[in-house]
Amino acid sequence: GAVVSQHPSWVICKSGTSVKIECRSLDFQATTMFWYRQFPKQSLMLMATSNEGSKATYEQGVEKDKFLINHASLTLSTLTVTSAHPEDSSFYICSASLGGSTDTQYFGPGTRLTVL
Amino acid sequence: RKEVEQDPGPFNVPEGATVAFNCTYSNSASQSFFWYRQDCRKEPKLLMSVYSSGNEDGRFTAQLNRASQYISLLIRDSKLSDSATYLCVVNGVGNAGKSTFGDGTTLTVKP
Repeated sequence: GAVVSQHPSWVICKSGTSVKIECRSLDFQATTMFWYRQFPKQSLMLMATSNEGSKATYEQGVEKDKFLINHASLTLSTLTVTSAHPEDSSFYICSASLGGSTDTQYFGPGTRLTVL
Repeated sequence: RKEVEQDPGPFNVPEGATVAFNCTYSNSASQSFFWYRQDCRKEPKLLMSVYSSGNEDGRFTAQLNRASQYISLLIRDSKLSDSATYLCVVNGVGNAGKSTFGDGTTLTVKP
């Protein structure tokens, strides 16, 4: 149980385009979903916390207008990287929590974004 | 000082060795603690939760010391498949309940 999927698993795009990444909890309802970014040889950095039906809470230094998060249902959250640039190239990982933000998180397989 | 600090590693051990990782956290209000493993270019996978009473899962033992604010992970009889990066994760109300990840400790088990 507690499976989280992400789509796409990898994407290559030109600079200036927008990329949408989907995160789905397949067999449970996730009240809270998290979006992380991981650069090579670095740890996961939390970008934002997403609660169903409300606005996402962004971490300091993360531009909310650039990284649009929508948590439309208890099983789906999306992250849109708007006007992507090469420095946005990274491994984006979502996670979902079964109950509250202090509970165990289950991670999606990640999306590797390369912006040319 | 980082909120969560781990042994820098890397740890290179032979098969069958016992290896221990430590992790310290700065927020005394932290509520829950986990060890994850992350393979190269993959997502983190939950290894085990960590409790004050200590918990064991096969060759893996995790321990929490709230007084000293550190958690540990012990791996006995290391296997080649244990090679990975081990992430210490701390959740706490002091940070709005969010998860804070350590930078990870890389383990390589050699034949």
